[in-house]
Amino acid sequence: DAGVIQSPRHEVTEMGQEVTLRCKPISGHDYLFWYRQTMMRGLELLIYFNNNVPIDDSGMPEDRFSAKMPNASFSTLKIQPSEPRDSAVYFCASSPSGARSPLHFGNGTRLTVT
Amino acid sequence: AQSVTQLGSHVSVSEGALVLLRCNYSSSVPPYLFWYVQYPNQGLQLLLKYTTGATLVKGINGFEAEFKKSETSFHLTKPSAHMSDAAEYFCAVTKETSGSRLTFGEGTQLTVNP
Repeated sequence: DAGVIQSPRHEVTEMGQEVTLRCKPISGHDYLFWYRQTMMRGLELLIYFNNNVPIDDSGMPEDRFSAKMPNASFSTLKIQPSEPRDSAVYFCASSPSGARSPLHFGNGTRLTVT
Repeated sequence: AQSVTQLGSHVSVSEGALVLLRCNYSSSVPPYLFWYVQYPNQGLQLLLKYTTGATLVKGINGFEAEFKKSETSFHLTKPSAHMSDAAEYFCAVTKETSGSRLTFGEGTQLTVNP
């Protein structure tokens, strides 16, 4: 099992540019989560999906953020336009049955917006 | 709403000494409680979890935690620290009844001195 795969590992972009982060969950896991980690705010849940359907997006900061899960093996988190305050490490995680079962995290994407 | 408080953002111990990382939670319903560990430049990994039943839970790498309802605590311990235990540790809570919103504490950075 390859685990949760995220790409890219690092992304440096200029303010105003579009950024797309990608995630491949573990096969058979019905839940997919996007988290953001910063020194100031810690780990924040942005959105999660169940069976490819967005269930709770209340953590998405604003309309500049969007997430999709077109199929069970792929999800994207898009920021358009990006701003310096979006700089953070973004984690994708998957689990077989929600947050009550262990979450399997990817290694994250470190985003720097200049 | 549920919440988690980790006492001490930084804990330093000597190799071979007892490790004690403190976590208190707030939940209006029976909680599911977790400890996750994060090594540098990696995602989080599950150490252990409490759902129901035995209040003393054993996890990987010699760690254990005890659920104390009367104290609303779920402290993490290890009898003898190893250099490889140096990492950041997160306590997390979710509700038993519904939802998949996992709330993380702010994390405790553990340093192990030789």
